[in-house]
Amino acid sequence: VQLLESGGGLVQPGGSLRLSCVASGFTFNNTAMNWVRRAPGKGLEWVSAISFGGGNTFYADSVKGRFTVSRDNSKNTLFLEMNSLTVADTATYYCAKPPSSDLWGCFQHWGQGSLVIVSS
Amino acid sequence: SYEVTQPPSESVSPGQTATITCSGDVLTNQYVHWYQQRPGQAPIMVIYKDNERPSGISDRFSTSASGTRLTISGVQAEDEADYFCQSADISGTYPLFGGGTKLTVL
Repeated sequence: VQLLESGGGLVQPGGSLRLSCVASGFTFNNTAMNWVRRAPGKGLEWVSAISFGGGNTFYADSVKGRFTVSRDNSKNTLFLEMNSLTVADTATYYCAKPPSSDLWGCFQHWGQGSLVIVSS
Repeated sequence: SYEVTQPPSESVSPGQTATITCSGDVLTNQYVHWYQQRPGQAPIMVIYKDNERPSGISDRFSTSASGTRLTISGVQAEDEADYFCQSADISGTYPLFGGGTKLTVL
Protein backbone atom coordinates (compact mmCIF):
# COMPACT_ATOMS: atom_id res chain seq x y z
CA VAL A 1 0.00 0.00 0.00
CA GLN A 2 1.27 3.42 -0.91
CA LEU A 3 -0.37 6.80 -0.42
CA LEU A 4 1.37 9.86 -1.85
CA GLU A 5 0.07 13.33 -1.03
CA SER A 6 0.88 16.52 -2.88
CA GLY A 7 -0.39 20.06 -3.21
CA GLY A 8 0.60 21.57 0.12
CA GLY A 9 2.34 24.89 0.49
CA LEU A 10 2.13 28.44 1.78
CA VAL A 11 -1.17 30.28 1.31
CA GLN A 12 -2.54 33.53 2.66
CA PRO A 13 -5.52 33.64 5.01
CA GLY A 14 -8.70 33.45 2.99
CA GLY A 15 -6.96 31.59 0.22
CA SER A 16 -7.51 28.15 -1.27
CA LEU A 17 -5.48 25.02 -1.84
CA ARG A 18 -6.13 21.57 -3.30
CA LEU A 19 -4.46 18.49 -1.91
CA SER A 20 -4.16 15.25 -3.85
CA CYS A 21 -3.39 11.72 -2.69
CA VAL A 22 -2.45 9.07 -5.24
CA ALA A 23 -3.05 5.53 -4.01
CA SER A 24 -1.54 2.23 -5.08
CA GLY A 25 -1.21 -1.33 -3.84
CA PHE A 26 -4.87 -1.93 -3.02
CA THR A 27 -8.28 -1.79 -4.65
CA PHE A 28 -8.92 1.94 -4.34
CA ASN A 29 -12.47 1.90 -5.68
CA ASN A 30 -13.82 -0.31 -2.89
CA THR A 31 -12.18 1.50 0.05
CA ALA A 32 -13.40 4.53 1.99
CA MET A 33 -10.70 7.17 2.35
CA ASN A 34 -9.97 9.86 4.90
CA TRP A 35 -8.02 13.03 5.55
CA VAL A 36 -6.44 13.54 8.98
CA ARG A 37 -4.33 16.51 10.03
CA ARG A 38 -1.93 17.47 12.77
CA ALA A 39 -1.32 21.11 13.55
CA PRO A 40 1.98 22.19 15.13
CA GLY A 41 1.90 21.54 18.86
CA LYS A 42 -1.52 19.88 18.64
CA GLY A 43 -2.83 16.35 18.31
CA LEU A 44 -4.29 14.39 15.44
CA GLU A 45 -7.62 15.64 14.09
CA TRP A 46 -9.85 13.76 11.68
CA VAL A 47 -10.86 16.12 8.88
CA SER A 48 -12.97 14.32 6.30
CA ALA A 49 -14.05 10.96 4.90
CA ILE A 50 -15.51 9.78 1.61
CA SER A 51 -17.22 6.51 0.80
CA PHE A 52 -15.72 4.11 -1.71
CA GLY A 53 -17.96 5.34 -4.53
CA GLY A 54 -17.76 8.99 -3.56
CA GLY A 55 -21.48 9.34 -2.97
CA ASN A 56 -21.19 10.00 0.76
CA THR A 57 -18.91 12.59 2.34
CA PHE A 58 -18.32 13.55 5.94
CA TYR A 59 -16.57 16.49 7.59
CA ALA A 60 -15.36 17.66 10.97
CA ASP A 61 -17.27 20.69 12.24
CA SER A 62 -14.07 22.74 12.04
CA VAL A 63 -13.94 22.46 8.23
CA LYS A 64 -17.55 21.93 7.22
CA GLY A 65 -18.63 24.35 4.54
CA ARG A 66 -15.04 25.25 3.65
CA PHE A 67 -13.45 21.94 2.65
CA THR A 68 -14.65 19.49 0.00
CA VAL A 69 -13.46 15.90 -0.32
CA SER A 70 -13.73 14.06 -3.62
CA ARG A 71 -12.15 11.14 -5.45
CA ASP A 72 -11.42 9.97 -8.98
CA ASN A 73 -11.52 6.20 -8.89
CA SER A 74 -10.33 5.99 -12.49
CA LYS A 75 -7.08 7.64 -11.38
CA ASN A 76 -6.85 6.15 -7.86
CA THR A 77 -6.73 9.67 -6.50
CA LEU A 78 -8.27 11.36 -3.46
CA PHE A 79 -8.65 15.14 -3.25
CA LEU A 80 -9.24 17.76 -0.58
CA GLU A 81 -10.30 21.19 -1.79
CA MET A 82 -9.68 23.74 0.96
CA ASN A 83 -11.24 27.21 0.80
CA SER A 84 -11.41 30.19 3.16
CA LEU A 85 -8.28 28.99 4.88
CA THR A 86 -7.35 30.39 8.28
CA VAL A 87 -4.19 30.18 10.37
CA ALA A 88 -5.92 27.44 12.37
CA ASP A 89 -5.79 25.22 9.27
CA THR A 90 -1.99 25.23 9.32
CA ALA A 91 -1.08 21.55 9.67
CA THR A 92 0.37 18.49 8.04
CA TYR A 93 -2.43 16.76 6.17
CA TYR A 94 -2.43 12.99 5.77
CA CYS A 95 -4.58 10.78 3.61
CA ALA A 96 -5.33 7.53 5.36
CA LYS A 97 -7.16 4.26 4.80
CA PRO A 98 -8.53 1.53 7.09
CA PRO A 99 -6.95 -1.92 7.48
CA SER A 100 -9.56 -3.45 5.19
CA SER A 101 -12.37 -2.26 2.96
CA ASP A 102 -15.02 -3.47 5.40
CA LEU A 103 -13.79 -1.20 8.19
CA TRP A 104 -14.73 2.44 8.68
CA GLY A 105 -13.11 5.13 10.76
CA CYS A 106 -9.71 3.75 11.63
CA PHE A 107 -6.47 4.19 9.79
CA GLN A 108 -3.77 1.60 9.18
CA HIS A 109 -2.14 3.13 6.12
CA TRP A 110 -1.01 6.75 5.97
CA GLY A 111 0.66 8.94 3.42
CA GLN A 112 3.83 10.82 4.24
CA GLY A 113 1.87 14.04 4.79
CA SER A 114 1.53 17.35 2.99
CA LEU A 115 2.34 20.54 4.88
CA VAL A 116 -0.10 23.42 4.59
CA ILE A 117 0.94 26.77 6.05
CA VAL A 118 -1.61 29.57 6.21
CA SER A 119 0.14 32.85 6.86
CA SER A 120 0.26 36.41 5.63
CA SER B 1 -19.99 16.88 22.01
CA TYR B 2 -18.14 13.60 22.42
CA GLU B 3 -14.65 13.63 23.88
CA VAL B 4 -11.83 11.16 24.27
CA THR B 5 -9.31 11.94 26.99
CA GLN B 6 -5.71 10.88 27.58
CA PRO B 7 -3.05 12.01 30.02
CA PRO B 8 -0.75 14.53 28.32
CA SER B 9 2.43 12.76 29.32
CA GLU B 10 3.89 9.59 30.78
CA SER B 11 7.46 8.61 31.47
CA VAL B 12 9.08 5.24 31.88
CA SER B 13 12.56 3.78 32.26
CA PRO B 14 13.99 1.45 29.61
CA GLY B 15 12.93 -2.13 30.11
CA GLN B 16 9.94 -1.20 32.22
CA THR B 17 6.26 -1.27 31.24
CA ALA B 18 4.42 1.83 30.07
CA THR B 19 0.67 2.19 30.42
CA ILE B 20 -1.43 4.83 28.69
CA THR B 21 -5.13 5.17 29.36
CA CYS B 22 -7.96 6.51 27.27
CA SER B 23 -11.34 7.55 28.64
CA GLY B 24 -14.68 8.83 27.38
CA ASP B 25 -18.33 7.86 27.43
CA VAL B 26 -18.32 6.75 23.78
CA LEU B 27 -15.66 4.14 24.44
CA THR B 28 -18.24 1.79 25.93
CA ASN B 29 -20.02 1.56 22.56
CA GLN B 30 -17.31 2.08 19.96
CA TYR B 31 -14.03 0.39 19.09
CA VAL B 32 -10.76 1.90 20.35
CA HIS B 33 -7.71 2.19 18.11
CA TRP B 34 -4.18 3.30 19.01
CA TYR B 35 -1.47 5.09 17.04
CA GLN B 36 2.17 5.91 17.60
CA GLN B 37 3.67 9.01 16.03
CA ARG B 38 7.32 9.91 16.21
CA PRO B 39 8.45 13.47 15.40
CA GLY B 40 8.45 14.18 11.69
CA GLN B 41 6.87 10.86 10.79
CA ALA B 42 3.41 9.69 9.81
CA PRO B 43 1.35 7.93 12.47
CA ILE B 44 1.57 4.15 12.81
CA MET B 45 -1.44 2.08 13.85
CA VAL B 46 -0.38 -0.22 16.72
CA ILE B 47 -3.81 -1.55 17.80
CA TYR B 48 -7.22 -1.56 16.12
CA LYS B 49 -10.67 -2.82 17.08
CA ASP B 50 -9.74 -2.74 20.78
CA ASN B 51 -7.24 -5.61 20.69
CA GLU B 52 -6.13 -6.40 17.13
CA ARG B 53 -2.50 -5.87 16.28
CA PRO B 54 -1.68 -5.04 12.64
CA SER B 55 0.90 -7.20 10.97
CA GLY B 56 4.43 -6.06 11.69
CA ILE B 57 3.60 -4.50 15.06
CA SER B 58 5.57 -5.84 17.99
CA ASP B 59 3.74 -7.98 20.53
CA ARG B 60 5.18 -5.63 23.16
CA PHE B 61 2.07 -3.55 22.35
CA SER B 62 -1.12 -4.82 23.94
CA THR B 63 -4.37 -3.50 25.35
CA SER B 64 -6.88 -4.28 28.05
CA ALA B 65 -10.01 -6.17 27.06
CA SER B 66 -11.90 -2.91 26.56
CA GLY B 67 -9.07 -1.45 24.53
CA THR B 68 -8.89 1.62 26.74
CA ARG B 69 -5.50 0.86 28.27
CA LEU B 70 -2.42 0.53 26.05
CA THR B 71 0.51 -1.34 27.53
CA ILE B 72 4.02 -1.28 26.11
CA SER B 73 6.20 -3.90 27.72
CA GLY B 74 10.00 -3.88 27.77
CA VAL B 75 10.08 -0.22 26.74
CA GLN B 76 12.90 0.75 24.40
CA ALA B 77 14.27 4.15 23.42
CA GLU B 78 12.53 3.82 20.04
CA ASP B 79 9.15 3.76 21.81
CA GLU B 80 9.52 7.42 22.73
CA ALA B 81 6.72 9.05 20.75
CA ASP B 82 3.25 10.54 20.93
CA TYR B 83 0.47 8.00 21.36
CA PHE B 84 -3.11 8.65 20.34
CA CYS B 85 -6.22 6.68 21.09
CA GLN B 86 -9.08 7.02 18.67
CA SER B 87 -12.72 6.05 18.69
CA ALA B 88 -15.89 7.42 17.10
CA ASP B 89 -19.05 9.29 17.97
CA ILE B 90 -22.17 7.45 19.07
CA SER B 91 -23.18 6.80 15.45
CA GLY B 92 -19.79 5.33 14.62
CA THR B 93 -19.50 7.70 11.67
CA TYR B 94 -17.21 10.48 12.91
CA PRO B 95 -13.76 9.49 14.20
CA LEU B 96 -12.56 11.08 17.43
CA PHE B 97 -8.95 11.29 18.56
CA GLY B 98 -7.75 11.68 22.09
CA GLY B 99 -5.44 14.60 22.73
CA GLY B 100 -2.37 12.39 22.72
CA THR B 101 0.11 11.22 25.32
CA LYS B 102 3.79 12.05 25.02
CA LEU B 103 5.75 9.03 26.18
CA THR B 104 9.23 9.84 27.41
CA VAL B 105 11.78 7.08 27.87
CA LEU B 106 14.04 8.18 30.70
